[in-house]
Amino acid sequence: SQTIHQWPATLVQPVGSPLSLECTVEGTSNPNLYWYRQAAGRGLQLLFYSVGIGQISSEVPQNLSASRPQDRQFILSSKKLLLSDSGFYLCAWSLALTVRNTEAFFGQGTRLTVV
Amino acid sequence: SQKIEQNSEALNIQEGKTATLTCNYTNYSPAYLQWYRQDPGRGPVFLLLIRENEKEKRKERLKVTFDTTLKQSLFHITASQPADSATYLCALESRSTLGRLYFGRGTQLTVWP
Repeated sequence: SQTIHQWPATLVQPVGSPLSLECTVEGTSNPNLYWYRQAAGRGLQLLFYSVGIGQISSEVPQNLSASRPQDRQFILSSKKLLLSDSGFYLCAWSLALTVRNTEAFFGQGTRLTVV
Repeated sequence: SQKIEQNSEALNIQEGKTATLTCNYTNYSPAYLQWYRQDPGRGPVFLLLIRENEKEKRKERLKVTFDTTLKQSLFHITASQPADSATYLCALESRSTLGRLYFGRGTQLTVWP
């Protein structure tokens, strides 16, 4: 069966520090991968979307970047965190476009607090 | 601009009643519309998917309708239980951007005994 791992679960980082959140998927090949952010009182905002290794689409301009060094690994990074980067970060995967069912499977999330 | 609006931030109903949640969208041409459940501090969990050419989908106590003319989806939970208390999110995938899933803010449902 497929599983998605996301870590760490919580993170407190000072302003200006770097960030690296990692997500890995097991049990499937060539998944679509996503990074979402959920700020307090707001919905899930799609940050990045990837259909394959090295293929990253950014949805909104921001202080963050994403990379996909391996088929089932997705990394969210920042060189210098801002207070506004605080939020609940969620990684998700779905089957590739050629498959009709496109439901997304989410990780447990990382609660990031920038202080 | 594109919007996905879930017009109730919170909905409180009594156990046994039917909960009806609304999702309206603007400037999207959805190929699929999905509903998710999210519990506090957890990632969303998929519940139901309905395609643009489908009017209604059912799964146990859940029912989703999809009206592309009204640009609206309704999500019903019949015989609601306190365990149904959670935030319910509407999400859609547009034909022009297949593979990208966009979410509404969600409706927090509380079912009281």
